[in-house]
Order: sequence, then C-alpha cells, then structure tokens
Amino acid sequence: DGGITQSPKYLFRKEGQNVTLSCEQNLNHDAMYWYRQDPGQGLRLIYYSQIVNDFQKGDIAEGYSVSREKKESFPLTVTSAQKNPTAFYLCASSGTGVQAAFFGQGTRLTVV
Amino acid sequence: GEDVEQSLFLSVREGDSSVINCTYTDSSSTYLYWYKQEPGAGLQLLTYIFSNMDMKQDQRLTVLLNKKDKHLSLRIADTQTGDSAIYFCAERDTGFQKLVFGTGTRLLVSP
Repeated sequence: DGGITQSPKYLFRKEGQNVTLSCEQNLNHDAMYWYRQDPGQGLRLIYYSQIVNDFQKGDIAEGYSVSREKKESFPLTVTSAQKNPTAFYLCASSGTGVQAAFFGQGTRLTVV
Repeated sequence: GEDVEQSLFLSVREGDSSVINCTYTDSSSTYLYWYKQEPGAGLQLLTYIFSNMDMKQDQRLTVLLNKKDKHLSLRIADTQTGDSAIYFCAERDTGFQKLVFGTGTRLLVSP
C-alpha cells in the first residue's frame, strides 16, 4: 500500500546524544516535510524539501539537520544542540495537483 | 509571515452539528485544507477547498470559504463520539510551497 512510514514509533535517548528519525514514502511525492508537535500545541515546521538534494529551514530548524539523497527518504537528525528535543515528530509528503500533505504516524521522542 | 488561527476548544452533544472556524492571512493561498488528528496518531486529510470556491460538501462535512474575510469553516453534521479529535486547518504558502497549520481545535463530543 502507498503511504508514509515513520520509524520508530517511540524513541528514548539520553541527553547529549544525537538521534535520527526515519521517514520513507512510496507515494512518488517530490516534497517532504518535518513538523514538531508539543502537547496541546499545533504543528511547527522544522525543515522541508521540495526536491531531491535540496531542503530549506522551517521555523524551528535550530538543533536539527536533514538530508534528501533519495526521493523516498527524508531522515531527521535531532542533535545535542536542540535544547528541548522531547516532542512528537511528524513527517509528511505532498505531490502535485491538490498538493495536500499526507502524514506518517509520528515518532514520539523522549530524551532523559 | 503567514498565520493561521483557530479557537482551541469546542464541545458539542452527539447528534448536534459542529462548526470549527479558522482565519488565515495569506490571501494568495491556492488550497486550504482540514485535517483530523486522533490521540497519538498522525494527521488525516479530511477535505480541502480550492480558493476560487465558496463551499464544498463531502458527506457530513461542509467547508465554507470567505476569501474577503480570510475565514474558513468546517461543519460536521450529526456529530458522533468518534468525531472527537483535534482538527487543524492549513493553507498552502504559494511563495515557498510549504503548508502552514493552525493551532488546532479540540472537539469533544459527549453522548
């Protein structure tokens, strides 16, 4: 089935460690996005990519890094420079036409 | 920059209609969307409307768009307990091709 897969669903890390969240899509979408959601809050854009080998910072990019080496994959690394990394992370992709974003099921990252 | 605002909370009784409101700022938005998020899950696209439309109906869902006032609403008819969730509106930023989301409205449906 076509869709977006985020893994893992739950992730625990010690403070000071980098961690990479996986996002894969088989929808043949050009654009991919990473959002962060904190409890009771909306979505804030971390990074987005409109095409392979190109990406742009969103509103809260500090402490995060991404790569887009393949159309299907857009991994997000949460670095030790991110001051408050515990959150729910959502990956999405969108194609042409209506350009609606389709979301993965999210990764809940807890840093202890 | 773009800004999308929603009221935070709405409570209705089962069987009533729910109306969730949203205001946006980017007058050049081409598409506007409504998403639903259940606890611990990703966002599910419910419906969308093109900016040259005033209304769109899809089964129990009715979307109204007032471009002059930059106001978008989602009406859910015959609201069920399974409709309890957070609802987000979003606009597509035509300049940078990114989606801007509202803060989300938590809908609580009581029996």
